Amino acid sequence: GQQLNQSPQSMFIQEGEDVSMNCTSSSIFNTWLWYKQDPGEGPVLLIALYKAGELTSNGRLTAQFGITRKDSFLNISASIPSDVGIYFCAGQSTSGTYKYIFGTGTRLKVLA
Amino acid sequence: GAVVSQHPSWVICKSGTSVKIECRSLDFQATTMFWYRQFPKQSLMLMATSNEGSKATYEQGVEKDKFLINHASLTLSTLTVTSAHPEDSSFYICSASGQRPYGYTFGSGTRLTVV
Repeated sequence: GQQLNQSPQSMFIQEGEDVSMNCTSSSIFNTWLWYKQDPGEGPVLLIALYKAGELTSNGRLTAQFGITRKDSFLNISASIPSDVGIYFCAGQSTSGTYKYIFGTGTRLKVLA
Repeated sequence: GAVVSQHPSWVICKSGTSVKIECRSLDFQATTMFWYRQFPKQSLMLMATSNEGSKATYEQGVEKDKFLINHASLTLSTLTVTSAHPEDSSFYICSASGQRPYGYTFGSGTRLTVV
């Protein structure tokens, strides 16, 4: 199936550091979503973006919908140990069934 | 709001048997639900789109006769893995499309192990 390019694939950071990850696509998307998944659980929605250029925050998390509608980034400020997990972006296709396509994921590990 | 319940959370079955997984939207109506499959350390791969009252739309490469989807009501979709084999062992996750700002809500997933 189709997937978005998400980077980095994984990262180790020190507690308190800021984290940035992004997703890029060759296709235009109408909506970008960012999720976090803990082991053995379903993904949990962090931030939803609905308009090009939109910048939205949720606590220490900030995400932006790229102006070209082909990319999005997620920043986590002052990381803490519980930020550990896998982060996925998801874009809603503008064609066909308007289904969501998921990024390849960024595995985050925070060192205390 | 926008809670999706998935059951069971894990199941072990013998090879050749069938397993049914339920996905319910608890506090909203979902005309469309989606079923994903996730292998360890990989992303979510869409298997099929489940539409209430009509046939599911399967992604390329997904066997519709093996993965039966029924979306009989606005709050319930089921995925039945028929004649399961060990290679069907995976983490299956459903999601439902709710209203903003809830976006796209996932169930907690079902870990299927076929022995």
